[in-house]
Order: sequence, then C-alpha cells, then structure tokens
Amino acid sequence: DTGVSQDPRHKITKRGQNVTFRCDPISEHNRLYWYRQTLGQGPEFLTYFQNEAQLEKSRLLSDRFSAERPKGSFSTLEIQRTEQGDSAMYLCASSYLGDLPGNEQFFGPGTRLTVL
Amino acid sequence: RKEVEQDPGPFNVPEGATVAFNCTYSNSASQSFFWYRQDCRKEPKLLMSVYSSGNEDGRFTAQLNRASQYISLLIRDSKLSDSATYLCVVNYRSDMRFGAGTRLTVKP
Repeated sequence: DTGVSQDPRHKITKRGQNVTFRCDPISEHNRLYWYRQTLGQGPEFLTYFQNEAQLEKSRLLSDRFSAERPKGSFSTLEIQRTEQGDSAMYLCASSYLGDLPGNEQFFGPGTRLTVL
Repeated sequence: RKEVEQDPGPFNVPEGATVAFNCTYSNSASQSFFWYRQDCRKEPKLLMSVYSSGNEDGRFTAQLNRASQYISLLIRDSKLSDSATYLCVVNYRSDMRFGAGTRLTVKP
C-alpha cells in the first residue's frame, strides 16, 4: 500500500499527558498537511510543510502543539499537556506541488485521539 | 461568517433521485475548488475538481460561479453507494478550507 499512513490509529490518554502522532506521506509528495476533525465538522487546517519547511500554521495550533518534518519525509505532531478539547480525529494529507495551486491532497486514515 | 458554508443537510433521497448540494465561500481570491467525499469513519477522498467552465464526471456535475462565490454538485440517478458526506473545499494558495459537509443518505 503506497498511500498515506498514520500511526497510531487510536490513542486514549489522560488529561495532561503528552502524545505524538506520526504520518508517512506518499513517497514522491513534497507537501504534507495536518488537519483536525471533530464530529459533524469538516477537517480544520492546522499546519503544512513543503519538504522539511513548515510554511504555515493555523491560529488553531496553540503553543501546546508542535509539528516537525525533519527530513522532508515523515512528520510528527506532538500535543503537550493534552486537554479534553483536544479529542478529535487528526488527519494527515500529502500532495505534490506542481504548476497548479491546490493539487489533490491524499488523506491518511487518521489518528483518533480521546483525552479522558 | 464561516469561510466555506454548505447546505446543512441531511439529504435523504430514494434511489434514482437527482440531488444538488450548494456551497458558498467568502474569500474572493480563492483559486481552486473541489468536492471531496467522506464515508463514515473514513478519510476524505477527492470526488472531483471544480472548474470555471463546469465539469461532469459520469453522474456527477460540478459548477462554479466566481461572481457569486458559489459552487454546486449535482448527482443524477443516485445509487445506494452514493451515501456519504460531501465536503466542499476551497483553496487559496496552499490553504485548503473545508466546509462542514452535507450528509447524503440514498435509500432503496
């Protein structure tokens, strides 16, 4: 399977703990995106990388959130001191930057976070 | 006002029906537009891009009205397998904004 993969698929944690999620994009894709989705809502943009550079961060991304893509391949999203409001599905997507803007993004299956 | 707004739904239609979804966006500088489909507890998947001239893919027709900042998706001859949530997506540079989605249920 050469699609976008995410790990873990599910994470249950206690409030105040730190969690880290991993995303492996499609190998030839140079752009990687993180989104958060709650029930009944569409995905909300969090941040994106072009290669290893983090080019944009949403105002939704508080200081407790940090994302990295150290070698321009896989990415990690860390949430420190988790809060119950962080409970959501965290989706990763990748795309290839071509000549046209807004190239198709391919999504991974997501990591469902539950904060107790 | 939300950046991308969709019909709230849900839409419950019989097989064979024609159903239309609407979407409006607030950023007039938006550059590209898409419809994604999301099945329950699954990731979104691209259904089709939306072009200024309108485009069709089998039973699906998408239209864009830049002057009114309005996008539509028409599904003809609905199938049971069309049951899903349809997400309107608007892009400005690399910033993708998703609508909340419209849920469609096609019934026998």
